[in-house]
Amino acid sequence: DAMVIQNPRYQVTQFGKPVTLSCSQTLNHNVMYWYQQKSSQAPKLLFHYYDKDFNNEADTPDNFQSRRPNTSFCFLDIRSPGLGDAAMYLCATSRGGGETQYFGPGTRLLVL
Amino acid sequence: DAKTTQPTSMDCAEGRAANLPCNHSTISGNEYVYWYRQIHSQGPQYIIHGLKNNETNEMASLIITEDRKSSTLILPHATLRDTAVYYCIVRLEGNDMRFGAGTRLTVKP
Repeated sequence: DAMVIQNPRYQVTQFGKPVTLSCSQTLNHNVMYWYQQKSSQAPKLLFHYYDKDFNNEADTPDNFQSRRPNTSFCFLDIRSPGLGDAAMYLCATSRGGGETQYFGPGTRLLVL
Repeated sequence: DAKTTQPTSMDCAEGRAANLPCNHSTISGNEYVYWYRQIHSQGPQYIIHGLKNNETNEMASLIITEDRKSSTLILPHATLRDTAVYYCIVRLEGNDMRFGAGTRLTVKP
């Protein structure tokens, strides 16, 4: 089945140690999104790629970066994780901007 | 995009219809109403969306009032697996999604 895959499902990192989360898709969608969801809160959009064009949300900290080497893969890099960055990170895809988004299962990040 | 208002939580008996309301009184004519749900520790799942007309698919029905200021998501025969947070989102075609607080639906045996 076509899907959005996120690995790992759980990631533990140390305070200040760079960490990368990965997302892949078999839907061949043009747009890939990254959301952050803290405990008991709604998902919050961090940024997205429309093909190779990167679109950052105005309030996304510089500590968060993203790479999209090809259509299928997109990475979320956290350069220096703080305790406040512990959250579920969700990847989503859509065919085009504004089209229905399909989410992966998420990666839960724990910062020690 | 217009702001939405949903009840914080609702209960529903298993096998009965679950009716989840959403107010979007500032919606503009070309904004769509989307519904997603999020089961605990999973990613959000698309349910249904509509512009003006009522919509139905294999998961749910979406009823939009004639003035488009409110809508209702209907799960016709709720099961325990429908327990989740349900998000109503209003957005312009082409815009990003903005999640609100959602409604926590608990389906009880």
